[in-house]
Amino acid sequence: NAGVTQTPKFRILKIGQSMTLQCTQDMNHNYMYWYRQDPGMGLKLIYYSVGAGITDKGEVPNGYNVSRSTTEDFPLRLELAAPSQTSVYFCASSLTPGELFFGEGSRLTVL
Amino acid sequence: AQTVTQSQPEMSVQEAETVTLSCTYDTSESDYYLFWYKQPPSRQMILVIRQEAYKQQNATENRFSVNFQKAAKSFSLKISDSQLGDAAMYFCAYRSAGGNEKLTFGTGTRLTIIP
Repeated sequence: NAGVTQTPKFRILKIGQSMTLQCTQDMNHNYMYWYRQDPGMGLKLIYYSVGAGITDKGEVPNGYNVSRSTTEDFPLRLELAAPSQTSVYFCASSLTPGELFFGEGSRLTVL
Repeated sequence: AQTVTQSQPEMSVQEAETVTLSCTYDTSESDYYLFWYKQPPSRQMILVIRQEAYKQQNATENRFSVNFQKAAKSFSLKISDSQLGDAAMYFCAYRSAGGNEKLTFGTGTRLTIIP
């Protein structure tokens, strides 16, 4: 049972580089989310999607973009990476209210 | 906007004892959901327990139970018979009953189990 799969697990970027964090779920969930987790700050919502073709901003969307072309995939794009984007990123999906299934996380360092 | 506050950054408990993690929230809504999530050292977060605000009965899942005080906007998690596998970060979360399913998380409590 794969659940929510994120890649890569670790990545180091230089300032100004771009990259995409991949997220795939095999549970046929309509809702998908991207969170970032900074030390002592809990989880902050970056973007979310309520279904294929529909995305919306969360609390901290600046510097990121998403797309949702299929139910399964919800990639997160970082354009022009900045040190402030150093964080652990979590993708999640849900079917029922609030019961999120999380991926294992992607640790990103921007130097 | 809703806020969730966890005032205990760290807690510890002896194995087999009981520990209570605190959570308070601020909202003007009357219908909502509350959750406790566990994040073990492997980092994948999992749902521990869920409470619907319209239910007066406190939720229970095996050794995990909550004390939901709606008027006080308090939602604490009690772990009974603590086990080494309970060591983790615990996050309290809030979700409105209507709308888009966004969760608002607290900053977490790191629980250490002392053998």
